[in-house]
Amino acid sequence: GEDVEQSLFLSVREGDSSVINCTYTDSSSTYLYWYKQEPGAGLQLLTYIFSNMDMKQDQRLTVLLNKKDKHLSLRIADTQTGDSAIYFCAESKGGANNLFFGTGTRLTVIP
Amino acid sequence: NAGVTQTPKFQVLKTGQSMTLQCAQDMNHNSMYWYRQDPGMGLRLIYYSASEGTTDKGEVPNGYNVSRLNKREFSLRLESAAPSQTSVYFCASRTGTGLNTEAFFGQGTRLTVV
Repeated sequence: GEDVEQSLFLSVREGDSSVINCTYTDSSSTYLYWYKQEPGAGLQLLTYIFSNMDMKQDQRLTVLLNKKDKHLSLRIADTQTGDSAIYFCAESKGGANNLFFGTGTRLTVIP
Repeated sequence: NAGVTQTPKFQVLKTGQSMTLQCAQDMNHNSMYWYRQDPGMGLRLIYYSASEGTTDKGEVPNGYNVSRLNKREFSLRLESAAPSQTSVYFCASRTGTGLNTEAFFGQGTRLTVV
């Protein structure tokens, strides 16, 4: 979806932290999501955050939400080679709460 | 429990040919979706079916039609394929259109139109 923007590529070394950023434009979006797509596969939900939260932590994943700037980020601690994938942020909006996805960020983890 | 199953996985069409992409889910979900994925553009919603018996246009419906055959199945039809429809197509389903319902995706259909 053209309303959700992400940078296309990110490379990190194994063991470092990865930070994937996303900007969205619909301030009424109630839930924001991070999906992961491994090569040759469909998307899988990683985590989500409710718009009245600033931060959500789930094991190695930390989601930060800056609602004023419409900025969402996903931090992956201790990045592993198995984390190499495309990461999509998404917002649900509209009467049917359809999911609108960003362009995706391809994360490459260098051993 | 297979989740969301799409067929075929790969397809090559000539310009002007027609075909139907099939999707079935076994999770008793009410809502189903068709997306296309293109490099640098993410996923764009083609059509969706909020519940059995209803279908609605998404962001990029032109050149496509859909049928919600029953609660399990949602098909996408290309009546006259064009090279611009070369893409990877994903079907997805959700419990419903509530605010926080997870979408489950199929493995995708890689379509090439020559």
